[in-house]
Amino acid sequence: GENVEQHPSTLSVQEGDSAVIKCTYSDSASNYFPWYKQELGKRPQLIIDIRSNVGEKKDQRIAVTLNKTAKHFSLHITETQPEDSAVYFCAASEDNAGNMLTFGGGTRLMVKP
Amino acid sequence: ETGVTQSPTHLIKTRGQQVTLRCSSQSGHNTVSWYQQALGQGPQFIFQYYREEENGRGNFPPRFSGLQFPNYSSELNVNALELDDSALYLCASRMEGGTEAFFGQGTRLTVV
Repeated sequence: GENVEQHPSTLSVQEGDSAVIKCTYSDSASNYFPWYKQELGKRPQLIIDIRSNVGEKKDQRIAVTLNKTAKHFSLHITETQPEDSAVYFCAASEDNAGNMLTFGGGTRLMVKP
Repeated sequence: ETGVTQSPTHLIKTRGQQVTLRCSSQSGHNTVSWYQQALGQGPQFIFQYYREEENGRGNFPPRFSGLQFPNYSSELNVNALELDDSALYLCASRMEGGTEAFFGQGTRLTVV
């Protein structure tokens, strides 16, 4: 089955700096890669996703890149703000419908004011 | 809010007991998945239901079972509870043709 590795497990940045979180996956059949943000005690919420036919996707301060050959994808957050502090999870799915997600272990991002 | 609600919010059970967790999704969300999230880890896929039929299962034993009902609600049942079953259980639903999974707030199960 699919295995998703996520690094780093914790990341501390100064407000205004950029943050990068990286994930690798094992199953070359995976073709849908969402990123979720989970604040303390709250539900995971989708922040951005990318499909295998696209190399990069941006949404304001957030971007995701995908390298299918190397089987890795990354989340980039620019101009970080204290409210970006949360745990971020990458995930992979073998179908474009987003079924049966395999999640990474999570990255705790702390943005210092 | 996502329109996906879970009950109860918290639950304490004794080892060996059985538990039923519930999830209520939005109208039209005919796919529901259940995940187990241990403390400090990412969610792990348990199983998925589409139109009341299980159509995918993760690496969980048969004592984890589920049901989905025509009114877009679903259940996760766990028999013979073990201490390692202590976790946050999340359901996530999707609408027909959609890819975004909307998560509920979770049920925190503690097995003592």
